[in-house]
Amino acid sequence: GQNIDQPTEMTATEGAIVQINCTYQTSGFNGLFWYQQHAGEAPTFLSYNVLDGLEEKGRFSSFLSRSKGYSYLLLKELQMKDSASYLCAVSSHAGNNRKLIWGLGTSLAVNP
Amino acid sequence: ETGVTQTPRHLVMGMTNKKSLKCEQHLGHNAMYWYKQSAKKPLELMFVYSLEERVENNSVPSRFSPECPNSSHLFLHLHTLQPEDSALYLCASSPLGGANTQYFGPGTRLTVL
Repeated sequence: GQNIDQPTEMTATEGAIVQINCTYQTSGFNGLFWYQQHAGEAPTFLSYNVLDGLEEKGRFSSFLSRSKGYSYLLLKELQMKDSASYLCAVSSHAGNNRKLIWGLGTSLAVNP
Repeated sequence: ETGVTQTPRHLVMGMTNKKSLKCEQHLGHNAMYWYKQSAKKPLELMFVYSLEERVENNSVPSRFSPECPNSSHLFLHLHTLQPEDSALYLCASSPLGGANTQYFGPGTRLTVL
């Protein structure tokens, strides 16, 4: 089967660092995405990893290990506005069709 | 960011009503998607259009009917819905090829009474 696992909720303090993990089991792999979704808003694209290693983009970094079926999103210097849901999604393929398999999302609360 | 727009943003309808959701993308993409987002469930892919041709229909009930008149517009026609259809309906678009990164609209919050 195809499965994405990520923690349901996390809490962190303003200015701190938080790591949100995602493990996956999918048939075929064409990359892993992280999206941010504030309550009542659209998911917005944060990062895409297709090769192993760390991709850094400002305060946000994303890591991928394909052999372990594992990724994490690292948020540094947390700000109150980072309170949101963080969605992990894997691009999987079946035949000629490529689709995104989504996790449930991790709801992050940043406290002062 | 106004790359993908959706109207209406909120919709309340009775089970016997007929309504339509509209999505428009201004990103020059060739693929468009309808998703359903319910509480405590992952995003559920409903339909995929590639170059205006439906390429995926994930066993969606016939009371949901998509329409893609051109690569910039996508509609979801609704009729005789059930209360369990209440959810956030998200439209997304992506370029073909490469990572196929999807860009989402703000969604339509649908409530079926």
